[in-house]
Amino acid sequence: QVHLVQSGAEVKKPGSSVTVSCRASGGTFSTSAICWVRQAPGLGLEWMGGIIPVFGTTNYAQNFQGRVTITADESTGTFYLDLKSLRSEDTAVYYCVRAGELGSAYSADYWGQGTLVTVSS
Amino acid sequence: EVVLTQSPATLSLSPGERATLSCRASQSVSTFLGWYQQKPGQAPRLLIYDASNRVSGIPARFSGSGSGTDFTLTISSLEPDDFAIYYCQQRTNWPPELTFGGGTKVEFK
Repeated sequence: QVHLVQSGAEVKKPGSSVTVSCRASGGTFSTSAICWVRQAPGLGLEWMGGIIPVFGTTNYAQNFQGRVTITADESTGTFYLDLKSLRSEDTAVYYCVRAGELGSAYSADYWGQGTLVTVSS
Repeated sequence: EVVLTQSPATLSLSPGERATLSCRASQSVSTFLGWYQQKPGQAPRLLIYDASNRVSGIPARFSGSGSGTDFTLTISSLEPDDFAIYYCQQRTNWPPELTFGGGTKVEFK
């Protein structure tokens, strides 16, 4: 059974940066990815990017290029999302997810509990 | 970039009725499509992967179909627990890039 445990809620000022962590335990990862998906209040799901640990590859959604960095500390099984130049529109719940273990669609079969990031002056 | 369009935005039904949710892709995604259920205050839950494969533990009343650009999630007979928002998701390219549809809310009629 995979468990993804995320860091706690954050309140940030516009223009600052935030780091959200996700510690993974249990299960296997083979060629699966750890991705970050966010959800603004009352809105839908938005994929931000992901990392495939076995290949060491990362990729990011076009909307976040240049503002987001996803890294992994394989020694602790912890993954990180760094988002800089925050603006009010970045207020959202951020989820880390495991994707790609089932089938070819890279669907997310395990989700972290979510981390609320609030950007406010 | 592949855009997923879900319809309808809201589906008003009663328990026991059949729900048919649509997801249309702006270009072919083969069968690289998943379906999720989300309830208020909870993370989404994967129901279907690769268009038609039900995740272990998901009730048989949930089924997915389609390929290419047109996909359907069917709930054969709605249970009270099924009233939620449903999202489709696809992946393209390598490394994989994921996109989600805008969601369909299944609400009590």
